[in-house]
Amino acid sequence: EVQLLESGGGLVQPGGSLRLSCVASGFSFSTYVMSWVRQAPGKGLEWVSAISSGGVNTYYADSVKGRFTSSRDNSKNTLFLQLNGLTAEDTAVYYCAKVGRSGSWSDGGMDVWGQGTTVTVSS
Amino acid sequence: QSVLTQPPSVSAAPGQKVTISCSGGSSNIGNNYVSWYQQFPGTAPKLLIYENNKRPSGIPDRFSGSKSGTSATLGITGLQTGDEADYYCGTWDTTLSAGWVFGGGTKLTVL
Repeated sequence: EVQLLESGGGLVQPGGSLRLSCVASGFSFSTYVMSWVRQAPGKGLEWVSAISSGGVNTYYADSVKGRFTSSRDNSKNTLFLQLNGLTAEDTAVYYCAKVGRSGSWSDGGMDVWGQGTTVTVSS
Repeated sequence: QSVLTQPPSVSAAPGQKVTISCSGGSSNIGNNYVSWYQQFPGTAPKLLIYENNKRPSGIPDRFSGSKSGTSATLGITGLQTGDEADYYCGTWDTTLSAGWVFGGGTKLTVL
């Protein structure tokens, strides 16, 4: 079964840091672009970052650029998102998602999603 | 303010048809594939349509997608109460800050 499982969320103070993880199973993780998408309480989907299959190239939303870093360990089928300089506006459920077509940034849509991990930034 | 524009809500009766629009620009919808996602409260989004008009395995043919120029449309026929959910369009944007963009979401109410 194709599956993504996120972890690492929690309550953190403003200015703090967290590291989210997403473990993949059931597909050839190293051949697919992966993305992070977040959803603030009661709001819509907001794309956060994307990372190439080999982990060399990354893209970030302007709202997180310079504060968040995406990486991956293909030997462990794991995607990471390092969150630094957190503010209340970063409070959201964070989803990892797989892009449908191997090697493409977007073709095939985001065809597999994790269940999400909640990040709450509050003092 | 989302890059892609969707109506906040649509409604229709069971058995009827509804369409949800998604408007963008040349840097996103105009030059890239559009995908659509269905989300129920408290759950992760689910891919409904990819590459403008293709359905993943398991998605009924009541759901369809189309694209023309810088706009896309999701169609749902034979509405069921179980279709009541939020729907999002998404695509890649090739501006200076490249990346995915989503619509603000449309709440479908089946009356």
